[in-house]
Amino acid sequence: AQKVTQAQTEISVVEKEDVTLDCVYETRDTTYYLFWYKQPPSGELVFLIRRNSFDEQNEISGRYSWNFQKSTSSFNFTITASQVVDSAVYFCALSEGVTGAQKLVFGQGTRLTINP
Amino acid sequence: KAGVTQTPRYLIKTRGQQVTLSCSPISGHRSVSWYQQTPGQGLQFLFEYFSETQRNKGNFPGRFSGRQFSNSRSEMNVSTLELGDSALYLCASSPNGVYNEQFFGPGTRLTVL
Repeated sequence: AQKVTQAQTEISVVEKEDVTLDCVYETRDTTYYLFWYKQPPSGELVFLIRRNSFDEQNEISGRYSWNFQKSTSSFNFTITASQVVDSAVYFCALSEGVTGAQKLVFGQGTRLTINP
Repeated sequence: KAGVTQTPRYLIKTRGQQVTLSCSPISGHRSVSWYQQTPGQGLQFLFEYFSETQRNKGNFPGRFSGRQFSNSRSEMNVSTLELGDSALYLCASSPNGVYNEQFFGPGTRLTVL
């Protein structure tokens, strides 16, 4: 069965610090996708990134970067020079297999608080 | 392009009643998924509809059902409400294929008294 674990329930840092959110996943499939979503206080989930199981290249988008390592089944998310607006709950998610492709399995989320 | 819209945004019901929630996907998106979010269980997949057919289903009792119309709009229904059904219900849409990123609506906050 597929499973996503975000061991960090809450993280609190001071603005401008770098912060890494951990995500570890379990799946038996060789074809799968990993996602990160952000949920601000308004409640709406905002898509951040999608990565397929065949592409282990790290990705950088502005202050955000993602490190995908199949060897450790991890897909970690780093925010560089954090800002107060980054405060939110962040979810890592997994979808696998053709038939389950639109079914996301989410981790429990990490509540990130950036203090001014 | 307008985003995913969900109505109503807030709903209060009593145990035993039934409720219908509505979701309008992004224009051109044919897949609609529903998720339940609670503090205890987190985000859980309910079901997905594509071209008016249920394509995937999560582990929820039969009291939870849904449907999709020809214009891709979707509704979900919960019958015989229980206190534990209190949650944020999120709808997400995606274009048409598999593995697309899903775009979420603001959710419907259901409170069961």
